[in-house]
Amino acid sequence: GQNIDQPTEMTATEGAIVQINCTYQTSGFNGLFWYQQHAGEAPTFLSYNVLDGLEEKGRFSSFLSRSKGYSYLLLKELQMKDSASYLCAVSPRDYKLSFGAGTTVTVRA
Amino acid sequence: NAGVTQTPKFRVLKTGQSMTLLCAQDMNHEYMYWYRQDPGMGLRLIHYSVGEGTTAKGEVPDGYNVSRLKKQNFLLGLESAAPSQTSVYFCASYPTNSNQPQHFGDGTRLSIL
Repeated sequence: GQNIDQPTEMTATEGAIVQINCTYQTSGFNGLFWYQQHAGEAPTFLSYNVLDGLEEKGRFSSFLSRSKGYSYLLLKELQMKDSASYLCAVSPRDYKLSFGAGTTVTVRA
Repeated sequence: NAGVTQTPKFRVLKTGQSMTLLCAQDMNHEYMYWYRQDPGMGLRLIHYSVGEGTTAKGEVPDGYNVSRLKKQNFLLGLESAAPSQTSVYFCASYPTNSNQPQHFGDGTRLSIL
């Protein structure tokens, strides 16, 4: 089975930085995805990590440590439009994604 | 550039009614998935398919059936709807290259009264 944990909610101020942690215990590992989901909408792809280290993509960065079963998503220079749910998902070897429950980020002015 | 299209977008059913949700993708992806999303529980896999003519159970398959008669379509059926099946349903497709993301449809909001 798969066990993926991430915080339920986080609040930050516009322009600040927020780090969303994700820990996982899975049977097999092909990679880890982060998705963004605005209320009432479909998840959209943000990042993919398969090797240890940091992947940077504009204001968003994602880090992976396979040995620790740990990832984080870093959101820099927060904007109001970044208020959304962020989903951590692990890809085991059989092409089924297992999702965490999601972290709701609220950005305040 | 349609991607993944789900129909219908909204539906209200009475307990015991049946219905089929349709998912169509135009990206020639092999894998297709049906998820349900409930508050505080994230996305849970109902059924999935690794190719035309094949289906498999996911995490929460009870009360649902699926069919993949054509590669581009993946149907989710509720034979006898129950209030516990009130949820938002998402379809997704996935190429065989596993470092590519799943592509999601816009979702179907289903209410069972």
